[in-house]
Amino acid sequence: KQEVTQIPAALSVPEGENLVLNCSFTDSAIYNLQWFRQDPGKGLTSLLLIQSSQREQTSGRLNASLDKSSGRSTLYIAASQPGDSATYLCAVRPPETSGSRLTFGEGTQLTVNP
Amino acid sequence: DAGVTQSPTHLIKTRGQQVTLRCSPKSGHDTVSWYQQALGQGPQFIFQYYEEEERQRGNFPDRFSGHQFPNYSSELNVNALLLGDSALYLCASSSFGGARELFFGEGSRLTVL
Repeated sequence: KQEVTQIPAALSVPEGENLVLNCSFTDSAIYNLQWFRQDPGKGLTSLLLIQSSQREQTSGRLNASLDKSSGRSTLYIAASQPGDSATYLCAVRPPETSGSRLTFGEGTQLTVNP
Repeated sequence: DAGVTQSPTHLIKTRGQQVTLRCSPKSGHDTVSWYQQALGQGPQFIFQYYEEEERQRGNFPDRFSGHQFPNYSSELNVNALLLGDSALYLCASSSFGGARELFFGEGSRLTVL
């Protein structure tokens, strides 16, 4: 059974700092990994999608890496801003033959202080 | 381009009642999945619909049922509501082929009293 863990559970940083969020998964047989952002009481916004054959994806100040063999992904946020404050969730999709359900971590709650 | 839309946004029910939540997928998407998110937790997979059939189901009781219509929209029904069913219910859509990126709606917040 796939399990996803996110460390740390909460993080508070001053504005402008570069930071790294971690995601680990127990079964390396994945189809892809997706990072999401969730504001309080809201839905999930897709940030980055990394296919199992890829090593990293970038979008603006965000960079996500994937090391499938070790079961790890990191989300790097450069020059953090107060507007980045939210909960960040990672989720993995199993191989196509095993269905398409995502398994989520419990998230990292990020606070960026002005 | 409309994203995933869900209704209602908030609702309050009492124990034992039944509820129906609705979802319209992102334009061009044909697959709909439903997730339950308790406060402070990651979303948990309920089930997925494709071609109007339930294709995969998570560890949820039969009180949770769904439907997909020919226009790809979907409903989630929960019968005999329990206090523990209080949660944010999220709908996600994707296309069956391609990168399989999931897009989520804003969710329906259900409170059971």
